[in-house]
Amino acid sequence: QSALTQPRSVSGSPGQSVTIFCTGTSSDVAGYNYVSWYQQHPGKAPKLMIYDVTKRPSGVPDRFSGSKSGNTASLTISGLQAEDEADYYCCSYAGSPYVFGTGTKVTVL
Amino acid sequence: QVQLQQSGPGLVKPSQTLSLTCAISGDSVSRDTAAWNWIRQSPSRGLEWLGRTYYRSKWYNDYAVSVKGRITFSPDTSTNQFSLHLNSVTVEDTAVYYCASEDSGSFQDWGQGTLVTVSS
Repeated sequence: QSALTQPRSVSGSPGQSVTIFCTGTSSDVAGYNYVSWYQQHPGKAPKLMIYDVTKRPSGVPDRFSGSKSGNTASLTISGLQAEDEADYYCCSYAGSPYVFGTGTKVTVL
Repeated sequence: QVQLQQSGPGLVKPSQTLSLTCAISGDSVSRDTAAWNWIRQSPSRGLEWLGRTYYRSKWYNDYAVSVKGRITFSPDTSTNQFSLHLNSVTVEDTAVYYCASEDSGSFQDWGQGTLVTVSS
């Protein structure tokens, strides 16, 4: 099972929006509505930000939103804030069962 | 509030067995809608799902192809914890290891992570 493909980095100024894309295949992203997104600050464990493609756990700001089209999922951060600077990983159920993305570093300029 | 507390050695010799334990508070290892996972992270491999154990009238285990044959899990209902055992380790198994709870296709709660170095 190959890792899902993410851009290495994205950046934006405070208040702007950034979108991270996560590309998979028909065996993972396109095949199931079990795409999740994780935020990871340096030296910390990942934190769940989005699950079931679009749902936010309690406590996650509504600035974070998720979507999916075909074999590509996306995470959008609206109104970028300094504390959003972190690494972000997508994850999809793949029947085997899970595969993670390669990770994207979000930089707040 | 679920908390996962990991324990285990940070240094393992090549060819030996890596063993880590994850103690659960605020939930039950035998809850029949949850699964308990091990995930590792290294610069070369990124985040890598290793497998899970779960109870559905009996215990089941799923393992990643990359470690199948070398990995086992041992849930313990008496102490409400679950353990990872990875044998025949090499330097490629050097990573930060995490335990995580799974519900509805995502990983809600994570342990603090344990850096395990494989070195003689």
